[in-house]
Amino acid sequence: DVKVTQSSRYLVKRTGEKVFLECVQDMDHENMFWYRQDPGLGLRLIYFSYDVKMKEKGDIPEGYSVSREKKERFSLILESASTNQTSMYLCASSSANTEAFFGQGTRLTVV
Amino acid sequence: KNEVEQSPQNLTAQEGEFITINCSYSVGISALHWLQQHPGGGIVSLFMLSSGKKKHGRLIATINIQEKHSSLHITASHPRDSAVYICAVGKGGNQFYFGTGTSLTVIP
Repeated sequence: DVKVTQSSRYLVKRTGEKVFLECVQDMDHENMFWYRQDPGLGLRLIYFSYDVKMKEKGDIPEGYSVSREKKERFSLILESASTNQTSMYLCASSSANTEAFFGQGTRLTVV
Repeated sequence: KNEVEQSPQNLTAQEGEFITINCSYSVGISALHWLQQHPGGGIVSLFMLSSGKKKHGRLIATINIQEKHSSLHITASHPRDSAVYICAVGKGGNQFYFGTGTSLTVIP
């Protein structure tokens, strides 16, 4: 029973392309998060959202934007992909004081 | 400065060994999570703790709030336990801080 679904497991994009990473959760959670994971740096927060149309910058928002038009969907957008955005991207959702549920991850390679 | 520190970074064990992974944190938290990430990237939440101890199968997680420390134990380890184990703390305010993970390899 998959609870947080990311649209792609693997993506290869060219430098300068606009990239959309989609995340959908079916648990009616208020909070959704986008992280990137890099060797030696662990998981770092890019953006999070605590409600529809609400967003907050995380630790490394530069080069990214997000969209949350519906409660169940949180999109991460790379307006102009660059090679330093090659990474594993993880989406998560949670409600107050609940477990965090994570998607399977999207491994993005920008060439 | 990392709010969450894990040790060890890498761990190799023989099948059947008892394994302990440690997590220390420096911030006030609402809950602590242990996560498992297998090769290929998918992350699964193993435990969420705010006090005491939880057990699920061969996995046991403990937390000491006063000492700001948690441990994840694996009894009778098996090669399928090979994964990266990540400690994450929830700080309230809907944010999490993550350790950099412990890479566990269990050899048959």
